[in-house]
Amino acid sequence: EAGVAQSPRYKIIEKRQSVAFWCNPISGHATLYWYQQILGQGPKLLIQFQNNGVVDDSQLPKDRFSAERLKGVDSTLKIQPAKLEDSAVYLCASSLAGADTQYFGPGTRLTVL
Amino acid sequence: TQLLEQSPQFLSIQEGENLTVYCNSSSVFSSLQWYRQEPGEGPVLLVTVVTGGEVKKLKRLTFQFGDARKDSSLHITAAQPGDTGLYLCAINRGGYQKVTFGTGTKLQVIP
Repeated sequence: EAGVAQSPRYKIIEKRQSVAFWCNPISGHATLYWYQQILGQGPKLLIQFQNNGVVDDSQLPKDRFSAERLKGVDSTLKIQPAKLEDSAVYLCASSLAGADTQYFGPGTRLTVL
Repeated sequence: TQLLEQSPQFLSIQEGENLTVYCNSSSVFSSLQWYRQEPGEGPVLLVTVVTGGEVKKLKRLTFQFGDARKDSSLHITAAQPGDTGLYLCAINRGGYQKVTFGTGTKLQVIP
């Protein structure tokens, strides 16, 4: 079974530039999560989708971050404009609806200079 | 304040030693999960504990949920270099599996 796919794996940008990350969840998984993980810390939930609807985006900095889940499958997370403090690993995870097991992708490491 | 505090933050030990890491909170939870994250990878679920006082074993790893369901511990016996990684505890904050992760314990096992 294919796991959660993310791209790109690494991205370096200048502050005030824009960046987008892509996630393809495990087939059949209705729930999709985006996390931000700053070096040395635990992941912080940014946004959670159930199919193509947003369940929780309370910790998403909506002035600069946006996310969408196209047709309830793939998802993109965008930052515009980026700040230095956005440097982190952005993790995508998916799960079956109602299940407590999340499967994580390898993450995208973002460096903002 | 962090909902879930883990200790120690860092741990470097020799191969073959035993260790225990802790996950503490002031709140009661219905269940708690432990994950391991290796460098360059996403976290991988190790175990879910749901009953106060519950003990689960996974090879050399022993997980315990506190009687009051506010804390948990992970004990590793005879640590191996392959145990190196970031250990994270996590709880479900409510419906739709809203997961909150702890601060993490970074473990290094030296051959």
